[in-house]
Formats: sequence, structure tokens, C-alpha cells
Amino acid sequence: QVQLVESGGGVVQPGRSLRLSCAASGFTFSDYAMHWVRQAPGKGLEWVAVITYDGSNEYYADSVKGRFTISRDNSKNTLYLQMNSLTAEVTAVYYCVRQTTQWLVDWGQGTLVTVSS
Amino acid sequence: DIQMTQSPSSLSASVGDRVTITCRASQSISRYLNWYQQKPGKAPKLLIYAASSLQSGVPSRFSGSESGTDFILTISSLQPEDFATFYCQQSHSMPYTFGQGTKVEIK
Repeated sequence: QVQLVESGGGVVQPGRSLRLSCAASGFTFSDYAMHWVRQAPGKGLEWVAVITYDGSNEYYADSVKGRFTISRDNSKNTLYLQMNSLTAEVTAVYYCVRQTTQWLVDWGQGTLVTVSS
Repeated sequence: DIQMTQSPSSLSASVGDRVTITCRASQSISRYLNWYQQKPGKAPKLLIYAASSLQSGVPSRFSGSESGTDFILTISSLQPEDFATFYCQQSHSMPYTFGQGTKVEIK
């Protein structure tokens, strides 16, 4: 079955960087676009970024553009999110999500990022 | 960016009630509208895709429909396990955007 396991979250100081990872299994990773979606504590879902199946294209929410970079290593079946210049506003649970056709079908359990001094 | 507006933001209902949640897009999104259910502390789960297609394994009491730029999620007979927050999401164009969510609570 499809498994998406996020890691790399934790408590980080403002201005620092963090890289999230998502290990994928149970499907042919290189065939699918992958997304990051986040949820701040007590808030709704916010789409963050997407990368095409082959890594050739990326799109970002305006709120993270220039600070976050999505990438993937298809040889390792792993998705990444590099987060730089962190501020308190990025505190959230970050979900790794698989897209099929035009919808978000499989979600990881999420990893919590807390930006605090 | 396409804005998605859900209503109501919350509702109270009883087991067995028929529940409807509406999502309005700020521009035409064709049928690129999906619905997700999220229970506390859990990841969201896809319920309905392409406006009205039921995801595999989702009970048939859930259904989706559309009318222009308005989309409706209907739960025909609310069950105890359905109490959760529901989100719509457009996948017509980037950036993908979610509605603000509708929390369905027990009356």
C-alpha cells in the first residue's frame, strides 16, 4: 500500500533553515507529481508547493516563494522541502501528498515544524 | 489566484441528518473540485474528486454536485464517524487553493 513518511520537523529558531523529507513507498514514485500542504495549529489547510513527476517544474504558494524549495530524488523515492529564513508564520504540520490525475489522493501523517526562539 | 469560499464555517447536526456544505469558486474551475475530510490529529482524506466522483472506499452516503461555480458536498444520513472538518480544493490551476473548512459537530 502507499506510504508517505515525513521527517525532519522539529523546533527551530527564527532565521534558521530546515529540510523536510518524505520517504515514499508502495507506488512508482517517479510517475507522480508530489505536493507539500501545511496546516498551522488550529487553522485550515494551505497548499505550499508541487513538483512534477520528473522534477522539471515546480510551483509555489506566494507565501513561500523565494524561501522554500521543493525537490525530489527519484532514485531514493524521496521528496524534500528546503525551508530557509524561517519565521513564526511557518509553524505548522507539513504533509507530503501524492497527486493522481488532478487530485491529492494520498497523504502522509505530517511532520510538525515549530519556529520559536 | 482562485479563491474558494466554503459555507457554513461550522454546523451542528444529529446522527441521521442530511447535511450539505457549499463551496464557491471565484472563477470558473470546470469540474476541478475535490472534497477532503479531516478528523482531529489525522491527515486529510480524499472523499470526492472531479466534483462528483466518489473515491474508492468512501461510503455512498457522501456525494458531490455542481452548479456553475458552486459545488455541494452532501452527506445523506450523518453517521457518528462523519463528525469532522471538510475542505474543498480546486485543482484547475496553480496555486491549488483550499476552502477555509467546515466543521461538522454533534448537536
